[in-house]
Amino acid sequence: DIQMTQSPSSLSASVGVRVTITCRASQSISSYLNWYQQKPGKAPKLLIYAASSLQSGVPSRFSGSGSGTDFTLTISSLQPEDFATYYCQKSYSTPYTFGQGTKVEIK
Amino acid sequence: QVQLQESGPGLVKPSGTLSLTCVVSGGSISSSNWWSWVRQPPGKGLEWIGEIYHSGSTNYNPSLKSRVTISVDKSNNQFSLKLSSVTAADTAVYYCARLSIAVARGIDYWGQGTLVTVSS
Repeated sequence: DIQMTQSPSSLSASVGVRVTITCRASQSISSYLNWYQQKPGKAPKLLIYAASSLQSGVPSRFSGSGSGTDFTLTISSLQPEDFATYYCQKSYSTPYTFGQGTKVEIK
Repeated sequence: QVQLQESGPGLVKPSGTLSLTCVVSGGSISSSNWWSWVRQPPGKGLEWIGEIYHSGSTNYNPSLKSRVTISVDKSNNQFSLKLSSVTAADTAVYYCARLSIAVARGIDYWGQGTLVTVSS
């Protein structure tokens, strides 16, 4: 099975800064990579699909890039409501494995 | 607006079978989407369990395949999960979800989640 590895596992950042989270696949998954945001006690929310497509209703400060094995989620200017845990997920083939998550905390 | 709602026992005994149902409203389960189960142990990450199409075709996570059955009930617009021989390691919040071809098989709709505890 293809493994998904996110880095960092957690980060501390201030409001207004640019944040980058990385996801690496153990083998090529083309652009079949999705990003989710999860807040405590809530279901995850789809932010980015197909590596770089913004889901409807998601603020434009979120962006995704990459293909093959290396992918990036960028938040251009961190807002208070963005403090959450972020997960990548491959949808290239089953099983649709998730990364282990990146917790973004307030500095 | 599609909505998904999980239901089932919140407590299951070790070695027993976990059974959950997800009712879909605001859309047809016979649409061109896959319907999935995802779980999350307390304080941990997300694990994809499996998926089903309205035709009955299924795909399961190999790590759980020997214990999992997902079925669909088109007449009631719902799908179900059964996980057998459960242990404490199966304690988790279980989410039902929709995988949409329109978003490259991303999960665009989720249920609220239901906590299932495995304990005697």
